[in-house]
Amino acid sequence: DTEVTQTPKHLVMGMTNKKSLKCEQHMGHRAMYWYKQKAKKPPELMFVYSYEKLSINESVPSRFSPECPNSSLLNLHLHALQPEDSALYLCASSQDLRRGGAYNEQFFGPGTRLTVL
Amino acid sequence: AQKITQTQPGMFVQEKEAVTLDCTYDTSDPSYGLFWYKQPSSGEMIFLIYQGSYDQQNATEGRYSLNFQKARKSANLVISASQLGDSAMYFCAMRERSNTGNQFYFGTGTSLTVIP
Repeated sequence: DTEVTQTPKHLVMGMTNKKSLKCEQHMGHRAMYWYKQKAKKPPELMFVYSYEKLSINESVPSRFSPECPNSSLLNLHLHALQPEDSALYLCASSQDLRRGGAYNEQFFGPGTRLTVL
Repeated sequence: AQKITQTQPGMFVQEKEAVTLDCTYDTSDPSYGLFWYKQPSSGEMIFLIYQGSYDQQNATEGRYSLNFQKARKSANLVISASQLGDSAMYFCAMRERSNTGNQFYFGTGTSLTVIP
């Protein structure tokens, strides 16, 4: 199984809503990532989890709250978002953040298209 | 300095022709990896090809090949026999080591359009 799954595919929410994005992988990967991507732009790294611990937080506003309940799951909790947060949110995983000199490809999920009204 | 530079925002190629997408990178890590991803309009990032810094030969995967010129810090993607389904955004990416573990960097992307 070389798949990263993300739910939901599409999400429309108001600025006062609370919602969550979910990501799952069963490849035994120990590093998982959240990216935000605007149209025609490269993905921007938001968070990285390594061995279920938050390893990198790229100064993301607190209205985005990541959670890694176990090695296969990664959530992104959303609260009080702004219209400019509308984007494609991509989850990715790779074997091990700590391995150097190795393949360590990132596998991406299909993304969640988020619209904030 | 930019870690990954893709200088072609948009490219056009005739169906069945070959096309080269440019990518240059900047790193002082001797052990790094270079990746190319394809992103169709559906949004999913599809891994195409990988080149490790110590690999002696250029990577190839079917119609995709990577023209790796280490001294020039260049990792161009060559797509042979272009197909209509190749129309997409293409991102060059690099993995290098840092204090916190591996870091990944993406270029700004090249939008490829295949013309029938």
